[in-house]
Amino acid sequence: DQQVKQNSPSLSVQEGRISILNCDYTNSMFDYFLWYKKYPAEGPTFLISISSIKDKNEDGRFTVFLNKSAKHLSLHIVPSQPGDSAVYFCAASRGYQGGSEKLVFGKGTKLTVNP
Amino acid sequence: DAGVIQSPRHEVTEMGQEVTLRCKPISGHNSLFWYRQTMMRGLELLIYFNNNVPIDDSGMPEDRFSAKMPNASFSTLKIQPSEPRDSAVYFCASSFSAGAGQETQYFGPGTRLLVL
Repeated sequence: DQQVKQNSPSLSVQEGRISILNCDYTNSMFDYFLWYKKYPAEGPTFLISISSIKDKNEDGRFTVFLNKSAKHLSLHIVPSQPGDSAVYFCAASRGYQGGSEKLVFGKGTKLTVNP
Repeated sequence: DAGVIQSPRHEVTEMGQEVTLRCKPISGHNSLFWYRQTMMRGLELLIYFNNNVPIDDSGMPEDRFSAKMPNASFSTLKIQPSEPRDSAVYFCASSFSAGAGQETQYFGPGTRLLVL
């Protein structure tokens, strides 16, 4: 039972264009969402997050949009650069649960930015 | 500023052998997480600790897996006996939990385990 789904295993875009990565979730209790980027042979690195009280969060070239009614979030990268080529994971949390937060991850989308 | 440190980075062992993976969290962090990544199941949480106490081990696949956190700067994940289906990349992550939610977990580089 996958609570966080990234339905596109891969995405290829041209340098300078916009990359849009999508994520859907099923658990309406999730209230905090994160995107991680992962290069080969490295651990995932935190990229950007959004709280459920917001519908948009921006950090430089990266913007995350949240549509709670649709249980959908997306990561926009503008403009895309070859160095952005990596696997992107969407993660969701139900918030503080007696100690810390458990993150539920999607299976990732491999982004390739072509020069 | 050191991030999460994991050792070994690679481990090749034979079925039936004991495997111990090690993790040093970021200094000052009070939560530690062990994940396993496979092609089939993606990134799944095995167990996590808060203030050195195991909070949720529901992701541990079976009794062959055990994890300890004897102090705030060290944790181990042990598999005994190991089986070929345990082959995966194991990640350790840490965070600072103030009880208010919305924490960010920071990951180590992972241990790539191959059980023959």
